[in-house]
Formats: sequence, C-alpha cells, structure tokens
Amino acid sequence: QVQLVESGGGLVKPGGSLRLSCAASGFTFTDYYMSWIRQTPGKGLEWVSYISTRSGYTNYADSVKGRFTISRDNAENSVYLQMNSLRAEDTAVYYCATMFGGVTAIDYWGQGTLVTVSS
Amino acid sequence: QLVLTQSPSASASLGASVKLTCTLSSGHSTYAIAWHQQQPEKGPRFLMKLNSDGSHNKGDGIPDRFSGSSSGAERYLTISSLQSEDEADYYCQTWGTGVLFGGGTKLTVL
Repeated sequence: QVQLVESGGGLVKPGGSLRLSCAASGFTFTDYYMSWIRQTPGKGLEWVSYISTRSGYTNYADSVKGRFTISRDNAENSVYLQMNSLRAEDTAVYYCATMFGGVTAIDYWGQGTLVTVSS
Repeated sequence: QLVLTQSPSASASLGASVKLTCTLSSGHSTYAIAWHQQQPEKGPRFLMKLNSDGSHNKGDGIPDRFSGSSSGAERYLTISSLQSEDEADYYCQTWGTGVLFGGGTKLTVL
C-alpha cells in the first residue's frame, strides 16, 4: 500500500534552516508530482510547493518563495524540502502528498512532521 | 482570483445524511475539485476527485456512504448513514498553476 513517511521536523530558531524528507513506497514514484502542504496548529491547509515527475518544474507559494527549495531523488523514492530563513509563521505540521501525473487532486498524504520556529 | 469557500461548521445526527458545500469563485465554475477528510489528530485523507459534471472518482477504500455532486460553481460532498468516525474536518482543494484549499468545514455528528 502507499506510504509517505515524513521526517526532519523539529525546533529551530528564527533565521535558521531545516531539511524535511519524505520517503515514498507502494507506488510508481516517477508517475507522480510531489507536493508539500502545511497546517498551522488549529488552522487550515496551505499548499507550500510541488515538483514535477523528473524535477523539471517546481512551483512555490508566495509565502515561501525564495526561502524554500523542493527537490526529489527518484532513485531513492524521496522528496525533500529545504527551508531557510525560517520565521515564526512557518511553524506548522508539514505534509508530503502526491498528485498523479501533474497538478491535480492530491490523492495520497503522509502523516506529517512538526516544524516549530521559536527562540 | 481562484477561491474556494466553505462553511466553517456543520452538524447532523448519527445515522442521518449531511451535504457539505464548496463554492468556486466567479469565473471558475468548470473547475474540478477534490474532497479530503481530516479526523482529529490525524493527517488528511483523500476522499474523491469531483468534476464539474458531477462525475467523481473515489480514493482507496472510501465507503459508498460518501458521494459527490456538482451544480454550477457548487461542489457537494454528501455523507449518508453518518457514523461517529465521520466527525472530522472536510477540506476541498482545487488547482491552477498552484494548489488551493478551502478553509474547511468542521462536521459534528450529534
């Protein structure tokens, strides 16, 4: 069955950096765009970024553009989110998710990893 | 501008049916959406992709109690024979160049 397992979350000071990882299994990884979505505690869902199947295309929410970088390793069935210049408002649970073949409905979700930005 | 609007809350009795609404902003009435369920303390789960003509494709293992329909710019999620585990937040999602979520509807099962 499809599994998406996020890791790398934790406590970081404002201005610091963190790299999230998502290990995927149970499906043909190269058939899917991969996305990161975040959820502030007690609030709704916010799309952060996505990457195309062969890494040729990426897109970012305005709130993270220039600070976050998404990448993937198809040999390792993994997707990453490098987060730099972190701010308090980046505090959230970060979910890894899949979209089959392009920018479309999200069809699988991970369980999330918590990122806390605080001094 | 593409916007999804959801009522913040809804409630219905155990065993009854409920219809949740997601409204697409003006000029975007042909867009497909997806419905996602988030039970307390859990990650979201994909329920279905819902097209403007009302056709829908459900995710793995989603019960027949969950169905979708469309009318104009409105996209609906109907849950019949409500069970206690249906008490959750329900989000609609659409896409253009980016990905967009509605604000979510908190469903309470009475």
